[in-house]
Amino acid sequence: AQSVTQLDSHVSVSEGTPVLLRCNYSSSYSPSLFWYVQHPNKGLQLLLKYTSAATLVKGINGFEAEFKKSETSFHLTKPSAHMSDAAEYFCVVSDQIAGTASKLTFGTGTRLQVTL
Amino acid sequence: GAVVSQHPSRVICKSGTSVKIECRSLDFQATTMFWYRQFPKQSLMLMATSNEGSKATYEQGVEKDKFLINHASLTLSTLTVTSAHPEDSSFYICSGSQGATSAYEQYFGPGTRLTVT
Repeated sequence: AQSVTQLDSHVSVSEGTPVLLRCNYSSSYSPSLFWYVQHPNKGLQLLLKYTSAATLVKGINGFEAEFKKSETSFHLTKPSAHMSDAAEYFCVVSDQIAGTASKLTFGTGTRLQVTL
Repeated sequence: GAVVSQHPSRVICKSGTSVKIECRSLDFQATTMFWYRQFPKQSLMLMATSNEGSKATYEQGVEKDKFLINHASLTLSTLTVTSAHPEDSSFYICSGSQGATSAYEQYFGPGTRLTVT
């Protein structure tokens, strides 16, 4: 069984300050972990993914996340927020079970607000 | 990245009628397509997985006779909500993938908001 918990439903930061969106996961197998962003009226876009290679994963638009097995965490960070980063962010887990279809389990989402 | 479209983006239908939602992969062949449902302020819940030319695999608790999924080609999947009721009102999102395993990225459509009156 797999699950993911996003600890904050809403995060507000000032433009130019760091962003931290928290995510903890539970997985029975070796997991793949993803962060997706959802802008209004647009499809979910993949920011980055972890699939058992380097634990520090760099994604698009300056985002990165670090896989910490001991803490079962995969927090998303960005050094400096931009107004265009305001959106809904989803942490997603998928068990890597050889030969079976991938099933993505989504967190409840974190709405990031960026203020001037 | 690859593009997935959905049509319509919004639909309002009367209780008891059926409504069809289309999901198209515009620039890649989607061997596998997924249908999700998203309630307000909640996460996406997987409803079913379909492979081209095969019957869809439904998640536990999803009525296959109510949510009919057809994946007749590598670029088109449809979801038909039959005998819709107000509780079916939701945001439906599809995704397409060139493979079924986690090695393949899922590309998501923009979603369809269904309102049943």
